[in-house]
Amino acid sequence: ETGVTQSPTHLIKTRGQQVTLRCSSQSGHNTVSWYQQALGQGPQFIFQYYREEENGRGNFPPRFSGLQFPNYSSELNVNALELDDSALYLCASSSKPGGQGHTFGSGTRLTVV
Amino acid sequence: AQSVTQLGSHVSVSEGALVLLRCNYSSSVPPYLFWYVQYPNQGLQLLLKYTSAATLVKGINGFEAEFKKSETSFHLTKPSAHMSDAAEYFCAVSDNSGYSTLTFGKGTMLLVSP
Repeated sequence: ETGVTQSPTHLIKTRGQQVTLRCSSQSGHNTVSWYQQALGQGPQFIFQYYREEENGRGNFPPRFSGLQFPNYSSELNVNALELDDSALYLCASSSKPGGQGHTFGSGTRLTVV
Repeated sequence: AQSVTQLGSHVSVSEGALVLLRCNYSSSVPPYLFWYVQYPNQGLQLLLKYTSAATLVKGINGFEAEFKKSETSFHLTKPSAHMSDAAEYFCAVSDNSGYSTLTFGKGTMLLVSP
């Protein structure tokens, strides 16, 4: 079975731009969660999607938005990038909503300059 | 609300020595507890989890953790450190609801010297 894959692995954006990060969930998983990990910090929950619907959201502004597709892959979109958005963005898939059974991808390293 | 406190941002041990990484949690409902490991430039790998069964949980790579409700702790131990254990370790808390995700601590970097 394939694991969780994220693309791209690295990217650099300019402040004010928009970015889209992608995540393919593990086979058989219908739930995707996104986390932001700033340098030297633990991951912070952004939001979770279950069967194409948002199933919970952390303390992030509306310029962070997401989608889940019928094949359960997912996108994270960030508008009006700020320097503080520079972080490792982690995607995790699971077979049910909630906090159990997360399988994490290797992440996308976003640098905003 | 749930929270996790990891004592010590860095822990240094010698190869072969005991590893002890501390984690205390706060939760208003019975918690599920996890330890993850992160190697440089990689995602998170699950080491072990507590989901209200046995309080002593054994994980991969020789790690184990004990859930102590009275102390609200879930410390991670390994009897003998190996060089390959050098990594960052995260403790996380969740619950049984379908609406709670993972709340992580700030992490502890384990350094292993020869």
